[in-house]
Amino acid sequence: DADVTQTPRNRITKTGKRIMLECSQTKGHDRMYWYRQDPGLGLRLIYYSFDVKDINKGEISDGYSVSRQAQAKFSLSLESAIPNQTALYFCATSDLTDREGELFFGEGSRLTVL
Amino acid sequence: RKEVEQDPGPFNVPEGATVAFNCTYSNSASQSFFWYRQDCRKEPKLLMSVYSSGNEDGRFTAQLNRASQYISLLIRDSKLSDSATYLCVVNRANKLIFGTGTLLAVQP
Repeated sequence: DADVTQTPRNRITKTGKRIMLECSQTKGHDRMYWYRQDPGLGLRLIYYSFDVKDINKGEISDGYSVSRQAQAKFSLSLESAIPNQTALYFCATSDLTDREGELFFGEGSRLTVL
Repeated sequence: RKEVEQDPGPFNVPEGATVAFNCTYSNSASQSFFWYRQDCRKEPKLLMSVYSSGNEDGRFTAQLNRASQYISLLIRDSKLSDSATYLCVVNRANKLIFGTGTLLAVQP
């Protein structure tokens, strides 16, 4: 089983719908992140959380919200999806004590907004 | 201007070739540096960290020039399995900032 699990892996939805992407991890890491990846733009940070009570906006948080329900779970919501939120979304974790800050990614959630 | 800039490629090289990727970063407060590898339709994975003194891991050598804000990755004796996108990554204020990646295609 993967250490960082994202659900759903693929989702097609319509403009205006509410969507939630879920992430759970078994690595015991404190830090969790949501990125989106678009061709030509690379990975961009949406939100990150360094522990259960800590939520921070990243580079492109508009139109998104997150919830850190537990150390192991970090969900991303699109309250009213729009077509330019079509992208590949990655959840990632890192260890607070790891000086290198290596990120461990889930397999990605491909979202298409029609 | 992007905070981390890379040549997107693609770099098409024959097996056995040596290939070098470059990356520049704009924020001098950046603390640490990495190369990640991303296979097609897969998640990124850490390839190696980059240190000022330069570091090597088998066929891979990474260099950092803080004065020029420049990072490089050299791959010697390229293998077909090296075909992937290579992402230059910078740690600034405990956040990892990714370049857009350089695509490498190693040809038989």
